[in-house]
Amino acid sequence: GAGVSQSPRYKVAKRGQDVALRCDPISGHVSLFWYQQALGQGPEFLTYFQNEAQLDKSGLPSDRFFAERPEGSVSTLKIQRTQQEDSAVYLCASSLRTGAYSNQPQHFGDGTRLSIL
Amino acid sequence: GENVEQHPSTLSVQEGDSAVIKCTYSDSASNYFPWYKQELGKGPQLIIDIRSNVGEKKDQRIAVTLNKTAKHFSLHITETQPEDSAVYFCAASKPTGTASKLTFGTGTRLQVTL
Repeated sequence: GAGVSQSPRYKVAKRGQDVALRCDPISGHVSLFWYQQALGQGPEFLTYFQNEAQLDKSGLPSDRFFAERPEGSVSTLKIQRTQQEDSAVYLCASSLRTGAYSNQPQHFGDGTRLSIL
Repeated sequence: GENVEQHPSTLSVQEGDSAVIKCTYSDSASNYFPWYKQELGKGPQLIIDIRSNVGEKKDQRIAVTLNKTAKHFSLHITETQPEDSAVYFCAASKPTGTASKLTFGTGTRLQVTL
């Protein structure tokens, strides 16, 4: 497809379970971002990849959160031992490239709504 | 780090009127300011952006202005239509050696009434 694709759209898990969220960026986009959006709030940065390299993971809230992009395309965000406070919409965005002196527009997917019971 | 404040949190206008949403940012190094529209159950959709070397940008009914000295930027929507009803987010980012993560405002819920 032409846009960023995320799956599943909805995920319900019991507290303590592990979950994996998938992001397919726009073809050819080098940069990939994950954001977390709590209800009624703006998205908050989690982590960033340039190709397969994870260059910034400063926004990951704990070591239960792990992201990977092994072949520089599809990315997976994994949350281990989920807790109720992990309930949120997880958004993925991609852009052509970001560099030291230019910012490229980030295009978002529709997100995965995660509910932890 | 960067802090972006946005107001108002809710805005109700009549169809055909104009709507203005304002944001301020804290980091003077920020140089890229996009605006996103988010509809219920959807991801944020980029509607317009502006870079720090430009003071104003317009795209049909939408315009954005930037005041670098005061560190604030605004979204202007003219001739509002019911389909403009959504939550709007401003954001800011600054150039780094690698990532240019976005810092978002808290959003403005715009309601366009008939």
